[in-house]
Amino acid sequence: GAGVSQSPSNKVTEKGKDVELRCDPISGHTALYWYRQSLGQGLEFLIYFQGNSAPDKSGLPSDRFSAERTGGSVSTLTIQRTQQEDSAVYLCASSSQGISYNEQFFGPGTRLTVL
Amino acid sequence: AQRVTQPEKLLSVFKGAPVELKCNYSYSGSPELFWYVQYSRQRLQLLLRHISRESIKGFTADLNKGETSFHLKKPFAQEEDSAMYYCALRGGGADGLTFGKGTHLIIQP
Repeated sequence: GAGVSQSPSNKVTEKGKDVELRCDPISGHTALYWYRQSLGQGLEFLIYFQGNSAPDKSGLPSDRFSAERTGGSVSTLTIQRTQQEDSAVYLCASSSQGISYNEQFFGPGTRLTVL
Repeated sequence: AQRVTQPEKLLSVFKGAPVELKCNYSYSGSPELFWYVQYSRQRLQLLLRHISRESIKGFTADLNKGETSFHLKKPFAQEEDSAMYYCALRGGGADGLTFGKGTHLIIQP
């Protein structure tokens, strides 16, 4: 079946602009995660959605970052007033449930470049 | 706070040689540890996790709570093992993973 998909694959924007990154999880997966992969920083957890529960936003680096998940499926990560340090690959992952660990399946990522 | 440390950014070994990718963690409770791998131009994927105590593609990893380590080992490296390897931890009830910065493994022919 189809895996996790993300769009766009690449995004170049100017400093100060807002961007939206989209994630389509695997059908039926109730848990969805966003991570950021920066050069030299490895992978950082940003936010986690599980079903209809309130999301775990503990990894969001600033209030310029927000995410929503509509209808328990598609998720959008929004970065407002982008800064150059926001340049990174943003990865989305989904898993079948969040109560006990189930493998997280990753998307191909969105490469964001802030000029 | 939980932390995962992979001390080697780059590890280069010859084909057929043993491989050990180091991972140390910091966590006050009982964590779950994982190794993820990213081959060139492919997605990040789960390689193995300590709970399963399995060998995948010849790789094994043992959780050593005394040394807070979860090193990944393979007795005989193969060229197709060349990839980025990330050690990850899940703890505290949160499902988001804490990743190390990764080790780029290069297997030379």
